[in-house]
Amino acid sequence: AQTVTQSQPEMSVQEAETVTLSCTYDTSENNYYLFWYKQPPSRQMILVIRQEAYKQQNATENRFSVNFQKAAKSFSLKISDSQLGDTAMYFCAFDSPRGSSNTGKLIFGQGTTLQVKP
Amino acid sequence: DAGVIQSPRHEVTEMGQEVTLRCKPISGHDYLFWYRQTMMRGLELLIYFNNNVPIDDSGMPEDRFSAKMPNASFSTLKIQPSEPRDSAVYFCASSWGISSPLHFGNGTRLTVT
Repeated sequence: AQTVTQSQPEMSVQEAETVTLSCTYDTSENNYYLFWYKQPPSRQMILVIRQEAYKQQNATENRFSVNFQKAAKSFSLKISDSQLGDTAMYFCAFDSPRGSSNTGKLIFGQGTTLQVKP
Repeated sequence: DAGVIQSPRHEVTEMGQEVTLRCKPISGHDYLFWYRQTMMRGLELLIYFNNNVPIDDSGMPEDRFSAKMPNASFSTLKIQPSEPRDSAVYFCASSWGISSPLHFGNGTRLTVT
């Protein structure tokens, strides 16, 4: 069974600095999808970034980028130029290959609470 | 696009009462998911639908939980009778096809006293 582990329950960073959130996962699949979701105090789950396992190039969305290490089963999120609005809980999630019986059944890590300090 | 709409935003009820949570997915999306979030267990998938048909309900905790999707624009999650351990945030999410990310609603915070 797939598992997702986030080993940092809480982190903090100064505004404008860079922070990296860690995520590891376990799967026997070769092709799958990985996500980072943000959950601010408003509670809504917001997609931050998505990575397809068959793509070697790391995904980037503005200030957010990932370091995807497939062999190591590692998927970290880097936030550059941190802003106060980045304060939230961040979840790493795994999705099985599309078309498999587990498609769409996102498996989430336990989350990392990030506080951006002014 | 209004996004995934859930109601109510908060629900407080007494043990033993019936609770119905509602969800309107994004128009055109053909997958709908119900997740539950608790401090102890994190985010768990309860059930999901494809084209209004339940595909996998293996995450539904007990027979007290039931979910329906009578049409493409509406789904309900019902708990009858409710218990204090059902207290959690319940999320509905939808997606289009088998390759797009999930879009989540704002969740319903359920408190059972």
